[in-house]
Amino acid sequence: QKEVEQDPGPLSVPEGAIVSLNCTYSNSAFQYFMWYRQYSRKGPELLMYTYSSGNKEDGRFTAQVDKSSKYISLFIRDSQPSDSATYLCAMRGASGSARQLTFGSGTQLTVLP
Amino acid sequence: DAGVTQSPTHLIKTRGQQVTLRCSPKSGHDTVSWYQQALGQGPQFIFQYYEEEERQRGNFPDRFSGHQFPNYSSELNVNALLLGDSALYLCASSSATGGGADTQYFGPGTRLTVL
Repeated sequence: QKEVEQDPGPLSVPEGAIVSLNCTYSNSAFQYFMWYRQYSRKGPELLMYTYSSGNKEDGRFTAQVDKSSKYISLFIRDSQPSDSATYLCAMRGASGSARQLTFGSGTQLTVLP
Repeated sequence: DAGVTQSPTHLIKTRGQQVTLRCSPKSGHDTVSWYQQALGQGPQFIFQYYEEEERQRGNFPDRFSGHQFPNYSSELNVNALLLGDSALYLCASSSATGGGADTQYFGPGTRLTVL
């Protein structure tokens, strides 16, 4: 079983819809949680990061972390065709040997105009 | 402010050959991590360099080696290439003094094809 599980999709929604992307994990040592967006054949672009449990909002994006359930989410409001990409969740521990990022396999999102 | 840069963009090699990939970190960053991303998968951690030393290593064989230079740039070397080494190789940079998040920023990647 992988340390980080992510629904690969593909997910297709109409423009303006609210999108929910999710990951579950098994390693309780993870404390930093990130969401990256990756366009086709490009490098991942950092969208948001969150430390420990809680919510964080940035424009149309909201990240949620529930450490008790080992579950993280990314919500995209008023989705746009330009949001069409693969979304990767990533996480890591606090320090020392835990600096490496562990990624989910990515969810491919298409927003239809 | 230049972000993370990688070269070359694309590379085609044959089995058994050796390859060197290069990375320049984002300005102000001193730590470089390398990841391998197979098609349809998330990136897998190879290793991380800080102060010119390998600080942490993922589950990759010794055929994968690296180096960090005094200007913080880095190289990834892969020997005895296998077909399964075909992937997008990503470099990420971060700052060791950037606070607890140690947020990693990725370059555009080098796409390696092994024939």
